[in-house]
Amino acid sequence: ETGVTQTPRHLVMGMTNKKSLKCEQHLGHNAMYWYKQSAKKPLELMFVYSLEERVENNSVPSRFSPECPNSSHLFLHLHTLQPEDSALYLCASSQDFVAQQFFGPGTRLTVL
Amino acid sequence: AQSVSQHNHHVILSEAASLELGCNYSYGGTVNLFWYVQYPGQHLQLLLKYFSGDPLVKGIKGFEAEFIKSKFSFNLRKPSVQWSDTAEYFCAVKPNDYKLSFGAGTTVTVRA
Repeated sequence: ETGVTQTPRHLVMGMTNKKSLKCEQHLGHNAMYWYKQSAKKPLELMFVYSLEERVENNSVPSRFSPECPNSSHLFLHLHTLQPEDSALYLCASSQDFVAQQFFGPGTRLTVL
Repeated sequence: AQSVSQHNHHVILSEAASLELGCNYSYGGTVNLFWYVQYPGQHLQLLLKYFSGDPLVKGIKGFEAEFIKSKFSFNLRKPSVQWSDTAEYFCAVKPNDYKLSFGAGTTVTVRA
């Protein structure tokens, strides 16, 4: 248990569905991150938030929409996804940009 | 663009054998270096990190890594592996900002 939780752990959705991934950190950190982990590829940084303000959108398609309502919660809203978006989506948090990042267990997403 | 290369995709070895996983990066400035491990069914967790000082870093579970600046390398070692070391190992590099770049990972299988 790292203090970073993610729900749901598994999600299967059709290409026309709208769903949301949730991340919560109980560590009092100020920075939160979304990563995409695809098989046999390096983790890809998607979004970075610092103090609820987005500081990075790493060329992510608009069908992925992040939301950070407060420093403890981070959402990833999904709509009209493609099968190639199937992956493990990881949330992470850190005290600041210098400190190490703590990862959640991930949401395994399958897009049919 | 900064990149992180892990030399081995899959390593298979027997218990008590020595392990060395290679990691090279292309960034030329000051960097922070990390090794993360992902045990089957578990979340990413930090094994060890290098920020500054002694280039030989000790981590958890008997792992160590050596930073060789001239070679842009941060190789991970363990003198005697156990079956419980079966996992995927990720090298990660972070310059003095928030972008943590990961290698593609090395799957280590330890046979009893």
